[in-house]
Amino acid sequence: RKEVEQDPGPFNVPEGATVAFNCTYSNSASQSFFWYRQDCRKEPKLLMSVYSSGNEDGRFTAQLNRASQYISLLIRDSKLSDSATYLCVGPGAGSYQLTFGKGTKLSVIP
Amino acid sequence: NAGVTQTPKFRVLKTGQSMTLLCAQDMNHEYMYWYRQDPGMGLRLIHYSVGEGTTAKGEVPDGYNVSRLKKQNFLLGLESAAPSQTSVYFCASSYQGVSRAFFGQGTRLTVV
Repeated sequence: RKEVEQDPGPFNVPEGATVAFNCTYSNSASQSFFWYRQDCRKEPKLLMSVYSSGNEDGRFTAQLNRASQYISLLIRDSKLSDSATYLCVGPGAGSYQLTFGKGTKLSVIP
Repeated sequence: NAGVTQTPKFRVLKTGQSMTLLCAQDMNHEYMYWYRQDPGMGLRLIHYSVGEGTTAKGEVPDGYNVSRLKKQNFLLGLESAAPSQTSVYFCASSYQGVSRAFFGQGTRLTVV
């Protein structure tokens, strides 16, 4: 089982919609989680870190559920510019690297 | 404010040729990584380094070698390129092994 798994989508949502992505992880000792955004043919860029108490950055909310071993990303009031692939990231089997999920593709439709 | 820089950005190789991809970071990060990204496969770790002079194998190391002679540079070598190595290669660096990673712009490699 891969350390980090997420639904590949695609998620096609209209502008203004709220959309949520979940990501499960297998390493119960994991402490560090992130959401990255990747635009087509570009490098991944950090969207936000995920803290134990949950955190919000504008229209984006990230949450961590340790009991069920998943993290989530909520996007409110979707914009066309939110169309991208969202990568869930957590620690891998070792202590020295992060493991990336395969990504969830979001398309926001006018 | 360069961050992580990869060279070259594009390359076409013939089967059996060799090449070296260069990654340079100016953030004084200890950890550096090489990933490949293929459609439907996500980012897969090839090799990584936890400091100058160290290297370690990741998830898909076969056919690749790496070196970290200087802290700021991490080189990825292909000794005898194969079509299966056609991919987009990303270098990344981080302060610690589980802290946020910063990525280079990627190298698109095609092996024919």
